[in-house]
Amino acid sequence: GQQLNQSPQSMFIQEGEDVSMNCTSSSIFNTWLWYKQDPGEGPVLLIALYKAGELTSNGRLTAQFGITRKDSFLNISASIPSDVGIYFCAGRNYGGSQGNLIFGKGTKLSVKP
Amino acid sequence: GAVVSQHPSWVICKSGTSVKIECRSLDFQATTMFWYRQFPKQSLMLMATSNEGSKATYEQGVEKDKFLINHASLTLSTLTVTSAHPEDSSFYICSASNSGDEQFFGPGTRLTVL
Repeated sequence: GQQLNQSPQSMFIQEGEDVSMNCTSSSIFNTWLWYKQDPGEGPVLLIALYKAGELTSNGRLTAQFGITRKDSFLNISASIPSDVGIYFCAGRNYGGSQGNLIFGKGTKLSVKP
Repeated sequence: GAVVSQHPSWVICKSGTSVKIECRSLDFQATTMFWYRQFPKQSLMLMATSNEGSKATYEQGVEKDKFLINHASLTLSTLTVTSAHPEDSSFYICSASNSGDEQFFGPGTRLTVL
């Protein structure tokens, strides 16, 4: 079946540093989504990407839909303590209809003040 | 933005009892709702997909008689864990979609079966 490889699995960074994480797929996706999940909560949508090459920002967050349509990255600039959480990428390989999302295993981000 | 609620947020029950979890889309009509299960420190595992007014589609390995899903309206889906056992203890999360490509997640329900 389809798999999403998300890396790194975890990150320990200093407040103020930039963060980068990525996901790669074994197949082509038409949609990439990035979510953040806090402990005991549901995931919250951060950025949605719909076109190959698309680069989208949401505040200090920037995500790109890879040209090959098999990868995506998420960058966080100037990290702050509230960025702590688990970040999931998710992809779907056909748009319009309700295709199921496939989730990466998550990147756990820890930020030292 | 799109808001999805779940109730209850946590539940503790005895083995053998049934537990119902509600998922509501508060400010939009959800043509499709999804139910996920998440074990500690792991990713979300899709259990089933439900469209309003039709039977749910279950993922391989998920027992439909064990996890009953009802999507009676465009704003409400319910998951009933029947005859719950300790191995059913988990974090259950629903999401809803209004025919777009985005899914909006509820806050999750922590189920503990004693």
